[in-house]
Amino acid sequence: DAGVIQSPRHEVTEMGQEVTLRCKPISGHNSLFWYRQTMMRGLELLIYFNNNVPIDDSGMPEDRFSAKMPNASFSTLKIQPSEPRDSAVYFCASSLTSGGAYEQYFGPGTRLTVT
Amino acid sequence: AQRVTQPEKLLSVFKGAPVELKCNYSYSGSPELFWYVQYSRQRLQLLLRHISRESIKGFTADLNKGETSFHLKKPFAQEEDSAMYYCALTGVGNEKLTFGTGTRLTIIP
Repeated sequence: DAGVIQSPRHEVTEMGQEVTLRCKPISGHNSLFWYRQTMMRGLELLIYFNNNVPIDDSGMPEDRFSAKMPNASFSTLKIQPSEPRDSAVYFCASSLTSGGAYEQYFGPGTRLTVT
Repeated sequence: AQRVTQPEKLLSVFKGAPVELKCNYSYSGSPELFWYVQYSRQRLQLLLRHISRESIKGFTADLNKGETSFHLKKPFAQEEDSAMYYCALTGVGNEKLTFGTGTRLTIIP
């Protein structure tokens, strides 16, 4: 297994543009997490899904951010419109859970720069 | 609300010296604590979890509920221990992790 796959690895865009980050979880995993990493705030959970259903989106900064998981093997995180303060590394992680916290497997991250 | 505090953003230790990475937490229920590590150019990965009571790569961490701490320790630092370390917290039966801000550990040869 290649592990969690994220694309693109790097994204540079101008303020106001739409950005879509993609994630393919490990096959068989039933939970998927989106995190944002910054120097100031560390690793923050944005949203997570269980069995393709959003469970907790309280970490999503504002309405400009949205996430979907149309099936068990794919998820997107969209920012529209993007702003310079959205610049960060965005991680996707997946795990196999059954009513508890299990090891989360992280993707390589997408480094987003908004100019 | 659950909160994890890692007071040191940066920590430098000489090779062979003991290492202690501090982690304090705030949680009203029964906590589960983890340490995740990110080596240079590698993915963030689980290092250890308190319920396993394991020693991984020479590291140990003991959950101290009285002091609400979960410090990561290693008696003799090695150069390959240089990495970013994150402490994380969740509640029993909960899959949502709250991470601290991380500590970058540098081992000086």
